[in-house]
Order: sequence, then structure tokens, then C-alpha cells
Amino acid sequence: DVKVTQSSRYLVKRTGEKVFLECVQDMDHENMFWYRQDPGLGLRLIYFSYDVKMKEKGDIPEGYSVSREKKERFSLILESASTNQTSMYLCASRGSGTDYGYTFGSGTRLTVV
Amino acid sequence: AQSVAQPEDQVNVAEGNPLTVKCTYSVSGNPYLFWYVQYPNRGLQFLLKYITGDNLVKGSYGFEAEFNKSQTSFHLKKPSALVSDSALYFCAVRGTGTALIFGKGTTLSVSS
Repeated sequence: DVKVTQSSRYLVKRTGEKVFLECVQDMDHENMFWYRQDPGLGLRLIYFSYDVKMKEKGDIPEGYSVSREKKERFSLILESASTNQTSMYLCASRGSGTDYGYTFGSGTRLTVV
Repeated sequence: AQSVAQPEDQVNVAEGNPLTVKCTYSVSGNPYLFWYVQYPNRGLQFLLKYITGDNLVKGSYGFEAEFNKSQTSFHLKKPSALVSDSALYFCAVRGTGTALIFGKGTTLSVSS
């Protein structure tokens, strides 16, 4: 089974800090995604990547950036954390074949104080 | 614009009764539809998907979903609910790119 691992389950950061959320997948998937989940809003796409060094903005990219230097790793960066970025962050990956399977990590609950 | 709607924030059902969680979608072209479940403080677990073929799709844990093209719906169903089915359920559709577009989620509460 595909495994998507998010390095931290819980994080507490201070306003203004630079925050890195890491995601690693072990199945050589081309596509990787970052979502944030907020109550009543569902999951909203922040960024996705379809190959190494390639990235596309999702619906809510403001205040975030991403890095994909290796195929297995997709990092979400909060350049200057703010309290309105307190949320649950979910990473997912998907291969490019006809399987259409998306696999999600367990999530990182980030609190910005 | 492509979108997914889950019209009910919460669904309550008694254990042993059938359950339905509703989903409607709007997408150009053929829809690729998914259902996921989330337990508290966990990631999303895949339940089932519709890509093509039979309109009735069977998935994990006894869940199934019916694709209805004319009504643009993909409702999740289970013949007999369990207390352990209580969770947050998300419907999703693959957008024009490769990312999934999610509904806002429906909390299912099964009482004993």
C-alpha cells in the first residue's frame, strides 16, 4: 500500500515564524497535493505538484509556498505564519496511471499563536 | 466552475437502519467521483470511487454509492448503519487538473 507520511501530527508556532510542513510518499507518485481543512469549509487545495520542481497554485495559495526537489517529498512553507493559518493540513499523492487512487497522510494540526 | 455540494451538515441515524449521505456535483466532461471518511484527528480514508461502468459502486466497510448522471448525484449508502460508522464523510470530484475538489463534509452520527 502507498504510504504518505507527514512529519508532524501537531505543531505550535509563533506568529511571524517560517514554518515547514513535510510530506513524503513511498510509491514514486508523480502528483502530490497540499490541502487545508477547516470546519464547515471542507478541504481546500493550496498547491499541487505534478513533477519534480513543478508546482501549480490551488484555490488558496496566498501566504504559502511549496518545494519539490525530490519526487518523494513535497514541502509546504508558511513564509510568515499568521493566526489565520491555524488549521489542519493534509498532504496527498497520486500516480499518473489509470488507477486514479489518491492517498492521504494523517494530517498536521498547526496552531499559530 | 466545478464543484461538489453536500447539502446536509449532519445526518443522524439509528444503528441498524439504512443510511444515505447526499452528494451532488458540477463538472465539465465525465466525472470521476470519490467518497472519503475521516475519523477524529486523522487523515482521510478512501471508501469508494466511480470512474466508469456500473452506476452502483461498492466500497469498503459495506458502503456503496449510486452514480446518477441525470441528477448529477453520487449518494453514499449503507443498508445497516453501525455506531462505528460515526465519522465525517467527504464527497470529491476530480477537477480539470489532477486535484480533487471536495464538498464541505457531512457528519454522520449513528446512535445505539
